[in-house]
Amino acid sequence: DQQVKQNSPSLSVQEGRISILNCDYTNSMFDYFLWYKKYPAEGPTFLISISSIKDKNEDGRFTVFLNKSAKHLSLHIVPSQPGDSAVYFCAASGGGGYQKVTFGTGTKLQVIP
Amino acid sequence: KAGVTQTPRYLIKTRGQQVTLSCSPISGHRSVSWYQQTPGQGLQFLFEYFSETQRNKGNFPGRFSGRQFSNSRSEMNVSTLELGDSALYLCASSFQGGTLNSPLHFGNGTRLTVT
Repeated sequence: DQQVKQNSPSLSVQEGRISILNCDYTNSMFDYFLWYKKYPAEGPTFLISISSIKDKNEDGRFTVFLNKSAKHLSLHIVPSQPGDSAVYFCAASGGGGYQKVTFGTGTKLQVIP
Repeated sequence: KAGVTQTPRYLIKTRGQQVTLSCSPISGHRSVSWYQQTPGQGLQFLFEYFSETQRNKGNFPGRFSGRQFSNSRSEMNVSTLELGDSALYLCASSFQGGTLNSPLHFGNGTRLTVT
């Protein structure tokens, strides 16, 4: 049962344009969400997070939007840079206590110079 | 500050053998989580340890086990290896277990190949 879904396995964007990565979840008990970036041969690195009590969180070029009613979140990267080319994982956790962090299947972003 | 260290980086084993993977967390982190990454499946949660106690467990067979030592270092063991166990195994540490204010910090993983 995939509770966190990233339906786009890959995305190509021109340098300087906006990259939008999407994520859907099914568990309404999730109360915080995170995005991780992964380069080949390296472990994922934390990028940005958002609490379920917010609908937007911004950190430099990265903004995460949360739509709780639609159980949907998205990561916007503006402007996109070639160094942003990586696999992006959406993750979620919550529901009280110390719950596991559930990851999506990832979206491979390619930023074309 | 040193990051999460996983050893070895690469392993080749044959079916039926067992394997032990090691993870040294960031100093001060008491939570260690293990994930399996395979193509198309994302990161599948194996288990999480906090202060030497298994706090959460994923949906993997009993062949997958782990432990955590008093210095927070963790080991993961897979017995009776199967071809489908070939994957990248990632270890992550955090203060509290991946909460909003305590995100997971990952190592570079151990690539296990079962032949």
